[in-house]
Amino acid sequence: DQQVKQNSPSLSVQEGRISILNCDYTNSMFDYFLWYKKYPAEGPTFLISISSIKDKNEDGRFTVFLNKSAKHLSLHIVPSQPGDSAVYFCAPKAAGNKLTFGGGTRVLVKP
Amino acid sequence: DADVTQTPRNRITKTGKRIMLECSQTKGHDRMYWYRQDPGLGLRLIYYSFDVKDINKGEISDGYSVSRQAQAKFSLSLESAIPNQTALYFCATSEGQGPNSPLHFGNGTRLTVT
Repeated sequence: DQQVKQNSPSLSVQEGRISILNCDYTNSMFDYFLWYKKYPAEGPTFLISISSIKDKNEDGRFTVFLNKSAKHLSLHIVPSQPGDSAVYFCAPKAAGNKLTFGGGTRVLVKP
Repeated sequence: DADVTQTPRNRITKTGKRIMLECSQTKGHDRMYWYRQDPGLGLRLIYYSFDVKDINKGEISDGYSVSRQAQAKFSLSLESAIPNQTALYFCATSEGQGPNSPLHFGNGTRLTVT
């Protein structure tokens, strides 16, 4: 049973528009949430994170929102750029434990 | 030069063969990890090591073994490869386990077992 689900396997968006990636989880012990970005033929790289004591964290064009009561988080990319085309993984962790990765969402930003 | 280097990048092997995937790092991190990626399942942890004398099983360790030869080297072995071990394998390092210590991944090894 997957503890972390990214229900949209793919997303296509026009350059300049907003990309919204969603992630749902079931483990209430998760207290830190990370997003990783992966280009083809490369390993994932850390993108942005949020602590469970916050509901929003922003870093440039990337913002992550956390709704603990709904066990839901989302990543917003505004404005989307062609270089953002990649696979994005949601990866929560519980204290002292390892990351649990979602299945990923492939984003395609069309020029 | 990559901070986390995996060799080989691609490997095709036959069922029943023994195979080793190697990982070396120049980041000076104590913690090293092996993950596999399958379509739609994200990355799943196979084994991890917090220092040279520490080896721990992850969520899918059956059929795999590891060796931490030095702080900078962590290898993954498949003693008798089977087709459902066909996947993309990633090695990763981290400085610590806290939220400010994200994983740093290598570029992966694509393994095909026929």
